Amino acid sequence: NAGVTQTPKFRILKIGQSMTLQCTQDMNHNYMYWYRQDPGMGLKLIYYSVGAGITDKGEVPNGYNVSRSTTEDFPLRLELAAPSQTSVYFCASSYMPDTQYFGPGTRLTVL
Amino acid sequence: TQLLEQSPQFLSIQEGENLTVYCNSSSVFSSLQWYRQEPGEGPVLLVTVVTGGEVKKLKRLTFQFGDARKDSSLHITAAQPGDTGLYLCAGARGAGSYQLTFGKGTKLSVIP
Repeated sequence: NAGVTQTPKFRILKIGQSMTLQCTQDMNHNYMYWYRQDPGMGLKLIYYSVGAGITDKGEVPNGYNVSRSTTEDFPLRLELAAPSQTSVYFCASSYMPDTQYFGPGTRLTVL
Repeated sequence: TQLLEQSPQFLSIQEGENLTVYCNSSSVFSSLQWYRQEPGEGPVLLVTVVTGGEVKKLKRLTFQFGDARKDSSLHITAAQPGDTGLYLCAGARGAGSYQLTFGKGTKLSVIP
């Protein structure tokens, strides 16, 4: 049982490049989330999904897009990378909204 | 924006000491979670408390939810180096809410 997996683990992007952060869960959870974590700032919700085909914005959605075509996968897309998007990105899933299980994170640097 | 304030921000103690960290808000939460995060890893859920005044124990860790559901505390007895990490509290804004509000965390170092 792998839980929540994220790829890649590390990535360096140049300004203006695009990339997709992958997230997969094998717990059959309906709820999935994307957060970013900046030093000393806690976790900020980017987007979330309550089920396949349903997504909604969180606190800091600008510059990101998501899709949820299956229960298992919830990719996060950065279209035009900016230095402000340098962060650690965590995907999470849950059966109930208030009990979330996190992946190991993707460390992204935009130069 | 509902805020969760955690204190202290940093805590360094000797192995065997007791400690308490706090999570406070001016807003009411339907439930509150505590997570521990180790360097380079994602947060790991420790406990969820949902009832005002609730106390839950997890080995040497004791969690309490305030009577008014606005605050919570985490007490560790006889801290061990394995307790080192970032402790995050997170609150659900209402029953059925899909979003959690996270505090900035307390970074705990337990020195052998």
